[in-house]
Amino acid sequence: NAGVTQTPKFQVLKTGQSMTLQCAQDMNHNSMYWYRQDPGMGLRLIYYSASEGTTDKGEVPNGYNVSRLNKREFSLRLESAAPSQTSVYFCATKQGAWSGYNEQFFGPGTRLTVL
Amino acid sequence: GENVEQHPSTLSVQEGDSAVIKCTYSDSASNYFPWYKQELGKRPQLIIDIRSNVGEKKDQRIAVTLNKTAKHFSLHITETQPEDSAVYFCAASSRAGGTSYGKLTFGQGTILTVHP
Repeated sequence: NAGVTQTPKFQVLKTGQSMTLQCAQDMNHNSMYWYRQDPGMGLRLIYYSASEGTTDKGEVPNGYNVSRLNKREFSLRLESAAPSQTSVYFCATKQGAWSGYNEQFFGPGTRLTVL
Repeated sequence: GENVEQHPSTLSVQEGDSAVIKCTYSDSASNYFPWYKQELGKRPQLIIDIRSNVGEKKDQRIAVTLNKTAKHFSLHITETQPEDSAVYFCAASSRAGGTSYGKLTFGQGTILTVHP
């Protein structure tokens, strides 16, 4: 089992370019999350999908869009990248859709630099 | 929404000493408090968690305490070892409307360094 995978691992973009970060899980989990991690700011929730077919905004959604393609896959799109989006992006999954008690499992992260 | 404050931001201890990291939260409805450890260049991983109906939980050298009245919880690591060096994040589970989606709000992180 691969668990939670993310592609790409590293990416450099120029301001204004677009890209999609991919996340896939083989854990049969219902909920999926996208976070960004910046120094001194912890992990901040961008978007989440409580279950297949639903998506909702998190704490910092501006400049991003998401797609829950199916139960396994949840993608994050930057339509017009800005230097402020330079960060490490983590995808996470959780088994229960409505329970707050389940552990979240994180992917390995994508390090994105916007020049 | 939920707000989680974590202190200290950096903590340096000698091997064998204890380390304590503290977090406060704002939403009295939060009911789940996990702690994650992130080694350099790695993904965050759960090390211990506690539910709001429990005051303390222990797992070998690590323990977490929760004070619901004061809305704070703490991570305690005893007999620290160099491999405990990492960034530690606390988190609290928040609600969206009247339904809990299990969203986590994270603290800012504590860089723990254990010197041999």
